[in-house]
Order: sequence, then structure tokens, then C-alpha cells
Amino acid sequence: EPEVTQTPSHQVTQMGQEVILRCVPISNHLYFYWYRQILGQKVEFLVSFYNNEISEKSEIFDDQFSVERPDGSNFTLKIRSTKLEDSAMYFCASRYSPQSSYNEQFFGPGTRLTVL
Amino acid sequence: SQKIEQNSEALNIQEGKTATLTCNYTNYSPAYLQWYRQDPGRGPVFLLLIRENEKEKRKERLKVTFDTTLKQSLFHITASQPADSATYLCALDILMDTGRRALTFGSGTRLQVQP
Repeated sequence: EPEVTQTPSHQVTQMGQEVILRCVPISNHLYFYWYRQILGQKVEFLVSFYNNEISEKSEIFDDQFSVERPDGSNFTLKIRSTKLEDSAMYFCASRYSPQSSYNEQFFGPGTRLTVL
Repeated sequence: SQKIEQNSEALNIQEGKTATLTCNYTNYSPAYLQWYRQDPGRGPVFLLLIRENEKEKRKERLKVTFDTTLKQSLFHITASQPADSATYLCALDILMDTGRRALTFGSGTRLQVQP
């Protein structure tokens, strides 16, 4: 069964450093997402991406964040200058959704980001 | 303000009983409501989706109801098993100011099924 994959599973970085989290969505999916979940808190929407551009973003997704789909398979989240409060699990998700219907999102296993 | 509330932080039931989880929301008009399961340290796994014009949806031992007047969804697991122990997340498809939609999650209910 196809699945969303994410690398690395755990990333430790120093405050102020740049990190890139990588995701490979399910191959025929059209919509891509990033979420984060701070330990013990709810899953929070960051950004959605469709047709090679951001379609929606939350207040959390400020200028320190960017997303890219550099090739036909990868979808990345970059944090330019990490802060302590960026420590969280980051989940990538994808959805097929042809225009006439809506369906569920498939989540990856997550990347645990620890900022020291 | 907009809120999604899920009942109690933890729900403990005996194996074989029916678990009922509640999701209440205020100041939203979702077109879809979804339920996900999340195990510790893992990503959410989709379980069921129900549309605003549907009252009830079933899948094997799972049943979801959606009352847009009460602004409430109930999620039932019948004949519960210890393997059903997990956190269950309610998620609403929310219309953002841009006219596009985003998925907004509740904080989840942790279910513990005792053998």
C-alpha cells in the first residue's frame, strides 16, 4: 500500500541553524501539507501546497518557513533560523482529490525536530 | 472565537464495550468532519469522513454521526478491543478567509481499553 514517507525521523539542531525536512508524498496525490505537533498539544496546520504553489498557510507559517517541491517526488519544509519553540513533530500529508470530490489526507510518520 | 472540543482527556472502558467519543465545535461551518487515530509518536491515520449533509457513516466496528444543528459529532467503537487504545482526533474542514480550506484538529481523546 502506498504511503507518505518522511526523512529524517529525528533531527537535532542548534538554535539559529537552518533545517530542511523532507517528505515523499503518495505519487498520484495532488495536494500536499505540513503540520506540526508540539509535545502534548494538538496537531496544527502549517501550510498547503497545490499546483506548485502555496494555497493556504496559517499564522504559524511566517517568513522563517518555506516549502518547495524541487522535483516530481519530494516536498520539503525549510526553517531558516530555528528557534527553541520550533521543537515539535512535523508531519507531512498528501491528498488525491480530483476537482469533483474531497477525500482524506494521508499522513507520514513525522520528523521529530529538537532545537537546542 | 472558533473552538473544537473533544470530551475529556482520557476515556477508560472495558474490552467488549462500546466507546463513545464526542467532538463539539463552535463558530465553524465545516463541509466535512473527519476522525483520525493517532498512536504515540506516530502520524494521524484516517478513519472516517462524514459530509455536512450526512447524518451517519459506518465502517466495520466504527460509526460516526454528525449533527450540524448541535454542532457535534459522535464517534463510536463497538466491541472495543485493547488494540483500539489510542488517541482519537476530530478534524474539521474549515473555510479560511482566503476562501480555501484547511484541516483543523481537536486536541484528541485518549482511549484506553482494558482487557
